[in-house]
Amino acid sequence: EVHLVESGGGLIQPGGSLRLSCAASGFTFTSEAMSWVRQAPGKGLEWVSRVSDSGGDTKYADSVKGRFTVSRDNSKNTLYLQMDSLRAEDTALYYCAKGRAASSIFDSWGQGTLVTVSS
Amino acid sequence: EIVLTQSPATLSLSPGERATLSCRASQSISSYLAWYQHKPGQAPGLLIYDGSNRATGIPARFSGSGSGTDFTLTISSLEPEDFAVYYCQHRYNWPISFGQGTRLEIK
Repeated sequence: EVHLVESGGGLIQPGGSLRLSCAASGFTFTSEAMSWVRQAPGKGLEWVSRVSDSGGDTKYADSVKGRFTVSRDNSKNTLYLQMDSLRAEDTALYYCAKGRAASSIFDSWGQGTLVTVSS
Repeated sequence: EIVLTQSPATLSLSPGERATLSCRASQSISSYLAWYQHKPGQAPGLLIYDGSNRATGIPARFSGSGSGTDFTLTISSLEPEDFAVYYCQHRYNWPISFGQGTRLEIK
């Protein structure tokens, strides 16, 4: 059974940095692309970033480009999201999601970790 | 950037009724559309991918149709557990994106 567990969220001041982690198990992590998707309070789902199975190819939403960096450690079955220059509008529940057959069809999701950007 | 517009924003129906949810893309996305169900306090769940393919374990009452710019998610006979928010998502190109969601509520 696929298991995705996010961690690293919390309260951070505007301009600060935070690193989220997503521990994966129950599937061959090295074979799957992974993404981060967020949901701001009272809002819908927003795709944030994606990393290929090898980690060599990354994609970002325009809203986070230049501020967020996605990476993975395939030896630890872990996905990361380094978030810098955080803004109030980055406040959201951040989900990691597994792509089906290396695609961007999200067939498994974690429960999310909450990031609150506020002074 | 492709924009997905879902309608209606809210749909009020009773158990046993048929639900029809729409998703329109701002340009053709072939059949590269997925549907997700999202309940409060839970992770979203994949229902349909590539327009009409049911994900593993999804009941037959859920069906998807459409291609190009117009897509539909149909729930043939609503069960109590189906009341939730539904999102469409495209993967035609980068950036991928979600629609704003349709809230399916009990009438």
